[in-house]
Order: sequence, then structure tokens, then C-alpha cells
Amino acid sequence: EIVMTQSPATLSVSPGQRATLSCRASQSVSSGLAWYQQKPGQAPRLLIHGASTRATGIPARFSGSGSGTEFTLTISSLQSEDFAVYYCQQYNNWPPSTFGQGTKLEIK
Amino acid sequence: EVQLVESGGGLVQPGGSLRLSCAASGFTFSDYWMTWVRQAPGKGLEWVASIKQDGSEKYCVDSVKGRFTISRDNAKNSLYLQMNSLRAEDTAVYYCVRGRYADSSWGQGTLVTVSS
Repeated sequence: EIVMTQSPATLSVSPGQRATLSCRASQSVSSGLAWYQQKPGQAPRLLIHGASTRATGIPARFSGSGSGTEFTLTISSLQSEDFAVYYCQQYNNWPPSTFGQGTKLEIK
Repeated sequence: EVQLVESGGGLVQPGGSLRLSCAASGFTFSDYWMTWVRQAPGKGLEWVASIKQDGSEKYCVDSVKGRFTISRDNAKNSLYLQMNSLRAEDTAVYYCVRGRYADSSWGQGTLVTVSS
């Protein structure tokens, strides 16, 4: 099973600033990587699939990069609605699909 | 509009059983793999099980093998998760998800609590 490790666990950033979230896989997952956003009491929302393709309706300030074992989610200019928990998910080696433990993005 | 509505969650004693259902609408259900993902209180996401369009292939996480069974009824546009021999560590919100992975369509979840 591939282990996904996200860092940092918590990230404090001011509105309008850039946020960079990291996700590392224990072995190569090629580009089989997705990013989700989750707010309290809500289901996860797909942001990125294929490591860098924005899902339908996702604002351009969200971008994904990386391949193999190292991935990054960048939010270019944080809006108030972006403060949430973010998860990465690998699906290249499925089953099982595995998630990272999450990064909480909080207001500084 | 794609809709996934889970039901069947609740409080059950350790060793008990529950059957979760997911009613799908707004898309051709029989064209998609379907998946259950769970989230323990305050914890991260865990893939539980997936089933192919015609039900001919099923996969689940090791921790539920032999206890949980995923199934579907394409005539009723419904997905199911039969959960037997429930344990405290199965306590979670269970989400119904369209596809095997990386899909935008998730239900709102149903809470399963395993406690005496």
C-alpha cells in the first residue's frame, strides 16, 4: 500500500498571500494524484486530478504540480473561503486508493 | 445535477450489522464505478470499497474484508454497503462517491456509530 504524507500538518497564511501545500508518496504514483478541499460538516470537494488538471468550476488560483513522489498544491492568493483542510489522494496504484492525513490551512 | 443521497446510518452495538444505501440521480448510474469512502470523527479520509458498473468486480480495504460487502442495483440507481461484525473503529461518516477515484460527485454522508 502506498503511504501518502502531507506537510505541514497546519499552515497559517494571511488572506491575499500564497499558500503551498506538499504531498509525498512512498513510491511513484506517476500523475495519479488528486487534491480535495474539505470544510467542516461538508463532503470533500475535488480540486485537482491528474496532479495538475483543475476540476470543473475550480478557480484558477488553485494549481497542482509534480509527478512521481512529490506533489504541490498552490493557492496563489488566498480568499476567506479557502481556509479549510486539504487532502491529497493517490489512485495510480489502485486498489487501494490512499489519502494523505490532511493539511489544515488556517488564517494567520 | 448529480445527486448522491446516503441513508441507513445510526447507532449500533459492537458486533452488530447495518446496511447503508446511496440513491443516485442526475447521471447514468450504470455507466460508473461507485465507491464508499469513510471518515472517522476528526480524522482523515479512507477508501473503503468500490464496485464496477455491472457488479462483476469489487474491491475493499483490508480492514473490512470478510465483514463489509459492496453491492449495487442498477435498476434502482442504488449503491449499498452491508456492514457486519461492526467494531468501534468502524465509527465514521460514510460517503458515497461516483467513480473509482478523483470524482467531483460525493454525497453528504451518513454517520455510523459503533458503541455499546
